[in-house]
Amino acid sequence: EDKVVQSPLSLVVHEGDTVTLNCSYEVTNFRSLLWYKQEKKAPTFLFMLTSSGIEKKPGRLSSILDKKELFSILNITATQTGDSAVYLCAHGGATNKLIFGTGTLLAVQP
Amino acid sequence: DAGVIQSPRHEVTEMGQEVTLRCKPISGHNSLFWYRQTMMRGLELLIYFNNNVPIDDSGMPEDRFSAKMPNASFSTLKIQPSEPRDSAVYFCASSLKDGEAFFGQGTRLTVV
Repeated sequence: EDKVVQSPLSLVVHEGDTVTLNCSYEVTNFRSLLWYKQEKKAPTFLFMLTSSGIEKKPGRLSSILDKKELFSILNITATQTGDSAVYLCAHGGATNKLIFGTGTLLAVQP
Repeated sequence: DAGVIQSPRHEVTEMGQEVTLRCKPISGHNSLFWYRQTMMRGLELLIYFNNNVPIDDSGMPEDRFSAKMPNASFSTLKIQPSEPRDSAVYFCASSLKDGEAFFGQGTRLTVV
């Protein structure tokens, strides 16, 4: 059965800290690994990775995928209070099936 | 594009009543997903469609739940009869093949 496991479940940091969120997966047909941010409402898309390596966005977010070891990392540098959210990792399968982990709740304190 | 549109935004109903949730995906997207989110279980995939055809409904909790996609621009999720344990936020999402999924704003369902 396809599975996505995220850690830690929750994390409290101070503004300016760097955080690393973890995602491991077990899948039968890997197609992609996605990261989403969820504040009060719907999840919003951050990254999609299809091959091992690093993906960066302008700013403070980056993500790494290791297809050999079946894990991904989301890094946030110089955290701000606006980064407080639930971060969700998802696996996209061969038939476009999208399975989510339970998420990491990040709280950034001033 | 207005994004994925769900209705209603909030629904409060009595146990035993039928509930119908509606979703309009982004035009041109060929995959549609229904998710249920609770504090205890997170974001669970209930069912998804490719090109209007149900591909995997193994996440549908029981026979009280059913979903349809009569055309590329509309889908429904029906619960009949509803129970208090069905209370959750239900999200619809759509995507292109091999693309990221875009979520609607969700329907908060409360069954009393």
